[in-house]
Amino acid sequence: GQQLNQSPQSMFIQEGEDVSMNCTSSSIFNTWLWYKQDPGEGPVLLIALYKAGELTSNGRLTAQFGITRKDSFLNISASIPSDVGIYFCAGQQSYGGATNKLIFGTGTLLAVQP
Amino acid sequence: NAGVTQTPKFQVLKTGQSMTLQCAQDMNHNSMYWYRQDPGMGLRLIYYSASEGTTDKGEVPNGYNVSRLNKREFSLRLESAAPSQTSVYFCASSLSFLPGYGYTFGSGTRLTVV
Repeated sequence: GQQLNQSPQSMFIQEGEDVSMNCTSSSIFNTWLWYKQDPGEGPVLLIALYKAGELTSNGRLTAQFGITRKDSFLNISASIPSDVGIYFCAGQQSYGGATNKLIFGTGTLLAVQP
Repeated sequence: NAGVTQTPKFQVLKTGQSMTLQCAQDMNHNSMYWYRQDPGMGLRLIYYSASEGTTDKGEVPNGYNVSRLNKREFSLRLESAAPSQTSVYFCASSLSFLPGYGYTFGSGTRLTVV
């Protein structure tokens, strides 16, 4: 099946550092979303991007929809311990008809040391 | 603020046993989904229901069946469990099947097949 390549697989950083992660695909997507999963919980939506080139912020989080529509980036500034978790990118495609099936990346595990 | 509720939270099955994972949402969402999460593989779509009365296969449907009982409830059944079905199962819902609508996830069912 189709996959999104997400990198890095894991990151171990000090509190206060900035974090960058990205997601790439060989296919074009119409929507990019970023989710965070806390241990023992389901993913929670952080940011949704709807247009190529779009840059959107949510507090310390900033995400961008790549111009080629084949990639997306997530940055976290001034990390804090509660940022710990797994971050997933997800893309949606539509071909003529409506479709809302999400394709997920493999995830980036973020660990923040106080 | 229940959102998406999954039961049970944990389950251990013997190979060949059957069971049904329950999912209910109270947000009046039209579309519902079942995913499985395995280490290093992200979330993979098993089945989805774009609207009440319809169900369709996702990326990894083999060994599973689903029932959209009503608008609120979407169940996943394992007829004859196999060790390869050991995973964390997530139910999700969205307001619409149109592109751009993010999902709300339940907290997951951790299933072990021995």
